[in-house]
Amino acid sequence: DQQVKQNSPSLSVQEGRISILNCDYTNSMFDYFLWYKKYPAEGPTFLISISSIKDKNEDGRFTVFLNKSAKHLSLHIVPSQPGDSAVYFCAANSSGANSKLTFGKGITLSVRP
Amino acid sequence: NAGVTQTPKFRILKIGQSMTLQCTQDMNHNYMYWYRQDPGMGLKLIYYSVGAGITDKGEVPNGYNVSRSTTEDFPLRLELAAPSQTSVYFCASSYPTSSAYNEQFFGPGTRLTVL
Repeated sequence: DQQVKQNSPSLSVQEGRISILNCDYTNSMFDYFLWYKKYPAEGPTFLISISSIKDKNEDGRFTVFLNKSAKHLSLHIVPSQPGDSAVYFCAANSSGANSKLTFGKGITLSVRP
Repeated sequence: NAGVTQTPKFRILKIGQSMTLQCTQDMNHNYMYWYRQDPGMGLKLIYYSVGAGITDKGEVPNGYNVSRSTTEDFPLRLELAAPSQTSVYFCASSYPTSSAYNEQFFGPGTRLTVL
């Protein structure tokens, strides 16, 4: 039973264009959502997060949008750069859950020069 | 700060062998976690700890044991290795605050193969 779903396993975009990575969730108790980025042979690193009381959070080239009614969030990267090529994990947490995260399967983003 | 360190980086085990994956953090984080990542899958929580002397099961605890005798260390023990435990193991830590969520910091991972 996948509570966090990243249905597209991979995405390829041209450098300078927008990358849109999607994530869906099923658990209504989730109230905090995060994106982690992972390079090969390294551990995941935190990228950006959003609380369920917001619908948008922006940090430089990265913006996360949350649609609670659709149980959907997306990560926008503008403009995309070759260094953004990595695996991106969507994760979710519910308050009081000892900060335990539920992860999606990840999306491999390739940014072509 | 070194952050979260894990040893070894790689290990090959034979079926039935045992081993301990080491994890140490120097950020004085109370919370620590062990995840496994199978190919093409997300990270799944094995065990977690909210402080020294306190551990609890995650989503996939079978075949593993943990202990937390100090704030810094959170070793993961495999007693009877099985091929199904072939995976990449990540340790993570976080510091509890009043916010709804506390960012987790991950180690570089241990790649384990059981043959």
